[in-house]
Amino acid sequence: AQSVAQPEDQVNVAEGNPLTVKCTYSVSGNPYLFWYVQYPNRGLQFLLKYITGDNLVKGSYGFEAEFNKSQTSFHLKKPSALVSDSALYFCAVRGHNDYKLSFGAGTTVTVRA
Amino acid sequence: NAGVTQTPKFQVLKTGQSMTLQCAQDMNHNSMYWYRQDPGMGLRLIYYSASEGTTDKGEVPNGYNVSRLNKREFSLRLESAAPSQTSVYFCASIYGQGLNEQYFGPGTRLTVT
Repeated sequence: AQSVAQPEDQVNVAEGNPLTVKCTYSVSGNPYLFWYVQYPNRGLQFLLKYITGDNLVKGSYGFEAEFNKSQTSFHLKKPSALVSDSALYFCAVRGHNDYKLSFGAGTTVTVRA
Repeated sequence: NAGVTQTPKFQVLKTGQSMTLQCAQDMNHNSMYWYRQDPGMGLRLIYYSASEGTTDKGEVPNGYNVSRLNKREFSLRLESAAPSQTSVYFCASIYGQGLNEQYFGPGTRLTVT
């Protein structure tokens, strides 16, 4: 069975500081990894994905994520956080031969001015 | 191009009542999904449809039924609502078989009293 862990319920940072949201995964075979963001009362929006290739993936709104196979991690990062980055962030994984995504519980990011 | 649309946006039901949540996408996507979102639990897959004419159970299918009416539409039915089904329901769709990102609807907030 595949699963995702987001060990932090909440992350608080000051505007302009680096932002990291942690994610570890478990899946058989090679993973396909995704990050989504959810703003209040909205559906989820895609940020970025890792399928294969470069371990550093760049996505929307200045976010990037690093795939680390040995640590089974896919942490989301932004070098300089904005107040508008405050939202709920979800990491998700699927296996190679699976139609289904498994989501983590989510991490609430608050960026203070 | 409206993307993924869901109706209704809000609904209050009494225990034992039935209702159908509607979802439609206009992106010619093959696969469609129904999730529920509960605080601290992320998104959990209820049912999915890999292609027109097929449906499969997800992680939490009990108390729900689905119909893939055609390629565009995927409905979720609660035959006899229970308070445990109070949640926010999201529909999503994807082109192909999963290497692409899922597109989410705006959600339906359901309360069962």
